[in-house]
Amino acid sequence: EVQLVQSGAEVKKPGQSLKISCKGSGYSFTNYWIGWVRQMPGKGLEWMGIIYPGDSDTRYSPSFQGQVTISVDKSISTAYVQWSSLKASDTAMYYCASGAAGPWVDHWGQGTLVTVSS
Amino acid sequence: SYELTQPPSVSVSPGQTASITCSGDKLGDKYASWYQQKPGQSPVLVIYQDNKRPSGIPERFSGSNSGNTATLTISGTQALDEADYYCQAWVSTLVFGGGTKLTVL
Repeated sequence: EVQLVQSGAEVKKPGQSLKISCKGSGYSFTNYWIGWVRQMPGKGLEWMGIIYPGDSDTRYSPSFQGQVTISVDKSISTAYVQWSSLKASDTAMYYCASGAAGPWVDHWGQGTLVTVSS
Repeated sequence: SYELTQPPSVSVSPGQTASITCSGDKLGDKYASWYQQKPGQSPVLVIYQDNKRPSGIPERFSGSNSGNTATLTISGTQALDEADYYCQAWVSTLVFGGGTKLTVL
C-alpha cells in the first residue's frame, strides 16, 4: 500500500525558517513524482511544484518560484519543502502528493499545518 | 497562466444527478482529473484521464471532457457525496480549478 506520511504541525514566527517532510513507503520511491500543494484556510488547492526523485529534477509553479525550495533524499524516501523566511501569509495546510501513471495525483499525504504568527 | 474555472457551489437533492463543470482553454485537448475533499481530510482522486475511476470509487461518479469543458457527474447523489470538488489539468505544470462546494439537500 502506497503511503505518504508528513511531518507534524509547526508553529513559527515571521522571519523564521522551516523545512517540512513527506516520507513515501509501499512503492519504489524513484518511480513516482512528488509534488507539494498549499491550501490556505478556507481556500482551494494550489500547486507549488514537483520533484522527480530519480534525478531530482524540480519544477516550480510561477507563484512559488523563489518562495520555497523543494528537495528530496532518495536514501530515506523523503521529500521536503522549505522556507528561508516565513511570512504570516504562509499560514496554510501543506499536502504532499504523488503520481506515477500520468498527470494526476494518485496519492496524498495527510497534510502538515503550518502556522506563522508573531 | 492557464486557468480552470469552476462554479463556486452546486446544490442537488438526494438521489438526483449532480453535474460540476470545469472550463479552460482547449481543456478537451488535455487530460482532466477530479478530486473530492471533505472537511478536515486530504483530497481523494475520483476521476482521472477524463473518465476513468480509480479502484474503490463508486460507479455513480463519471466524467467527460470535450472542447473547453470537463464535467464531473454524480448520479444518484448521496448525502456522503457532500464535499468540495476540484478539477485538475496538466499544462506544463499541474493546475487546479478553484473548487466547487457540492451541497446535498
